[in-house]
Amino acid sequence: AQSVTQPDIHITVSEGASLELRCNYSYGATPYLFWYVQSPGQGLQLLLKYFSGDTLVQGIKGFEAEFKRSQSSFNLRKPSVHWSDAAEYFCAVALNNAGNMLTFGGGTRLMVKP
Amino acid sequence: DAGVTQSPTHLIKTRGQQVTLRCSPKSGHDTVSWYQQALGQGPQFIFQYYEEEERQRGNFPDRFSGHQFPNYSSELNVNALLLGDSALYLCASSFAYEQYFGPGTRLTVT
Repeated sequence: AQSVTQPDIHITVSEGASLELRCNYSYGATPYLFWYVQSPGQGLQLLLKYFSGDTLVQGIKGFEAEFKRSQSSFNLRKPSVHWSDAAEYFCAVALNNAGNMLTFGGGTRLMVKP
Repeated sequence: DAGVTQSPTHLIKTRGQQVTLRCSPKSGHDTVSWYQQALGQGPQFIFQYYEEEERQRGNFPDRFSGHQFPNYSSELNVNALLLGDSALYLCASSFAYEQYFGPGTRLTVT
């Protein structure tokens, strides 16, 4: 069965520091992968997605993610974190070819120190 | 364009009651999916509706049912509520490879 693991439940970084959030997936075929962000009391906002092609994907708000098939990973990165990036981040894999049925990881809560 | 809208924002129900949650998709979107997000967890797929029919279903009991209307809007119904049904219920609408989530309905079962 498809699954997504986010090993880090909480991460704290200083403002201006770099960030990497880990995501590992289990999926039999070529996966469609997503990163979403959720601020308190808000719905989910798509940061970026990987369907095929270039394994380094650029997203909104300065985020990028790299698909590594050999490691079954899709880690999210940002070179310089802003205080407004504090939120919950979810990695997800699509269960269907349309990419609209998702299984999510448990999330990583990012806290940003001033 | 209002995006995906959900109503109500919050509601409180008692164990054993029934609840209906509503979702209006983004303009042009014909597919609606529902997710349950328990506190501190990632969302879990409940089911998806397309052309007024349930197309796929996740690992949820029959107490969870839904409906899609000709205008693509959708309802999620939960019968015989349990304390464990307390969660944020998210609706997502999609067309082709574009999907957007609504802000959710916070359901509290007491």
